[in-house]
Amino acid sequence: QGQLVQSEAEVKKPGASVKVSCKVSGYSFIGQYIHWVRQAPGQGLEWMGWINPSSGDTKYREKFQDRVAMTRDTSTNTVYMELRRLRSDDTAIYYCARDEGPTSCCNWFDPWGQGTLITVSS
Amino acid sequence: DIQMTQSPSSLSASVGDTVTITCRASQASSIYLNWYQQKPGKAPKLLIYAASTLRSGVPSRFSGSGSETDFSLTISGLQSDDFATYYCQQTYSAPPTFGQGTKVEIK
Repeated sequence: QGQLVQSEAEVKKPGASVKVSCKVSGYSFIGQYIHWVRQAPGQGLEWMGWINPSSGDTKYREKFQDRVAMTRDTSTNTVYMELRRLRSDDTAIYYCARDEGPTSCCNWFDPWGQGTLITVSS
Repeated sequence: DIQMTQSPSSLSASVGDTVTITCRASQASSIYLNWYQQKPGKAPKLLIYAASTLRSGVPSRFSGSGSETDFSLTISGLQSDDFATYYCQQTYSAPPTFGQGTKVEIK
């Protein structure tokens, strides 16, 4: 089935960077893409991008293109999402999720990590 | 981007009721339409994928249907555990997009 375990909540100042980790277990790490989705307080779900853990290839949502970087470490089965130049409206819960399905991307997201709350405040 | 519009945004229902949530795509999205349930403080949970396939372990009272631009999620015989927010998602066209959510509350 698989499990994704994310890093703990963080508080950051505007202009800083944050790096969230997502450790994968229970299935082949390089077998399926990992997506990042965020959810601002009381709001809906916003897809940010994906990473192919096998090749390291990435695709980002246009609005995050110049501020986000998704990477992976195959030795620890962990993917990372770094967001730079943080603003107050980046305050949100950030989720990683496995892409499951018959094609490489994009099918459906299951399972999800537990989420990491990033608070941006001066 | 394909815009996903859910309706209603919220609804009140009683245990045992049958409820239907609809999701309309701004462009045809084939069958890559998924439904998730989210409870407060928890990550979304996949219920239905490819428009109508029930995820293993999800109760059979959940069902999905639809094609092209119009999809629906039906809960037949609402249980207390089903009060949550439901999201549709299309993954047919990049970027993947979600509906705004439908909150199902207890009447």
